[in-house]
Amino acid sequence: EIVLTQPPGTLSLSPGERATLSCRASQSVTGGYLAWYQQKPGQAPRLLIYDTSSRATGIPDRFSGSGSGTDFTLTISRLEPEDFAVYSCQQYSTSPLTFGGGTKVEIK
Amino acid sequence: QVQLVESGGGVVQPGGSLRLSCAASGFTFSTYGIHWVRQAPGKGLEWVAFIGYDGSTKYDADSVKGRITISRDNSKNTLYLQMNSLRTEDTALYYCAKEYGVAAGPRWFMDVWGKGTTVTVSS
Repeated sequence: EIVLTQPPGTLSLSPGERATLSCRASQSVTGGYLAWYQQKPGQAPRLLIYDTSSRATGIPDRFSGSGSGTDFTLTISRLEPEDFAVYSCQQYSTSPLTFGGGTKVEIK
Repeated sequence: QVQLVESGGGVVQPGGSLRLSCAASGFTFSTYGIHWVRQAPGKGLEWVAFIGYDGSTKYDADSVKGRITISRDNSKNTLYLQMNSLRTEDTALYYCAKEYGVAAGPRWFMDVWGKGTTVTVSS
């Protein structure tokens, strides 16, 4: 199974700053089949990005995804107050589907 | 709007059983596969199972294999997860999540999630 690692566990940033989140795979994620989700306490997870770089419906363009092979990145160009949350990556190139452990973006 | 609402969670002793439900609305339920994903306290998300749009295709994770049954009733827009022989490590928040791809073309990621139902396995 593909293990996804998301260092660091927590990012402390200020509103307006740029956030760069990492997702590293234990083996190549073929086809770029990687998604990103946002989670807030008490809320349903929300799909942000799929196929490495495609934004889901209604997702603001300050969110962008990039990468290939074993290294993927979610970038939030300018953090808005509502962006402070946990972000998880998921690969769907190889069974079983697997998720990373998540990175918490907290207010500095 | 598109919505998924889970129910049926609770506290159960090791070895016990529980049936979770997921009620869907706002989309044509019978044309989409649905996933179950769980999250143990302080841990990341873990994919549990998938059922295809018509119920004919089912997959589950090794961690629950032989202990769960996933099913759906398209006439009621409802998904079910029957969990047996529960273990303490099954303690988690269980989400149902709509497959992005339609009908026989799943993409294997999820575009709509519910808020989850909590399962606690403890003596």
